Amino acid sequence: GENVEQHPSTLSVQEGDSAVIKCTYSDSASNYFPWYKQELGKGPQLIIDIRSNVGEKKDQRIAVTLNKTAKHFSLHITETQPEDSAVYFCAARTANSGYALNFGKGTSLLVTP
Amino acid sequence: GAGVSQSPSNKVTEKGKDVELRCDPISGHTALYWYRQSLGQGLEFLIYFQGNSAPDKSGLPSDRFSAERTGGSVSTLTIQRTQQEDSAVYLCASSKQGDEQFFGPGTRLTVL
Repeated sequence: GENVEQHPSTLSVQEGDSAVIKCTYSDSASNYFPWYKQELGKGPQLIIDIRSNVGEKKDQRIAVTLNKTAKHFSLHITETQPEDSAVYFCAARTANSGYALNFGKGTSLLVTP
Repeated sequence: GAGVSQSPSNKVTEKGKDVELRCDPISGHTALYWYRQSLGQGLEFLIYFQGNSAPDKSGLPSDRFSAERTGGSVSTLTIQRTQQEDSAVYLCASSKQGDEQFFGPGTRLTVL
């Protein structure tokens, strides 16, 4: 089955700096890659996603890049703010195995003022 | 509009007892998913319902785990003869087929 690896497990940046979180996946048939943000005591919330026919997608301060050949994708947050502090999860979905998501183990991001 | 709701928010039980966790998906969403999140871990897929199709149970860790979805809406996840390793946050999500999954706040299960 699909295996998603996520790095780093923790990340601390100063407000205004950029943060980058990287994920790799094992199944070349995976075609959908969402990123979720989870705040303490809440369920994960989708912040951005990318499909395998696109190499990059941007939404304001958040961008995701996908390298299908290398089977890795990354989340980039620019101009970080304290409210960006949360746990971020990457995930991958394979079309031929239903619509369940395979998640990475998460990155705890801390943005210090 | 209303999001995915789950109840109870917290459940403490004794080893060996059965528990039922409930999920109310977003109205109109045909797909419903259960995931388990253990401390410091990612989300682990448990089971997936899509419309009237047979559910995908491939993620259930043992036969002590089962789930139902009545009338294509509310779902109940049942864990029989709970064990301490079942302690986790159980998350439910719903979606229109193939689209973004919206997650509920989860049920934190503690097995003593």
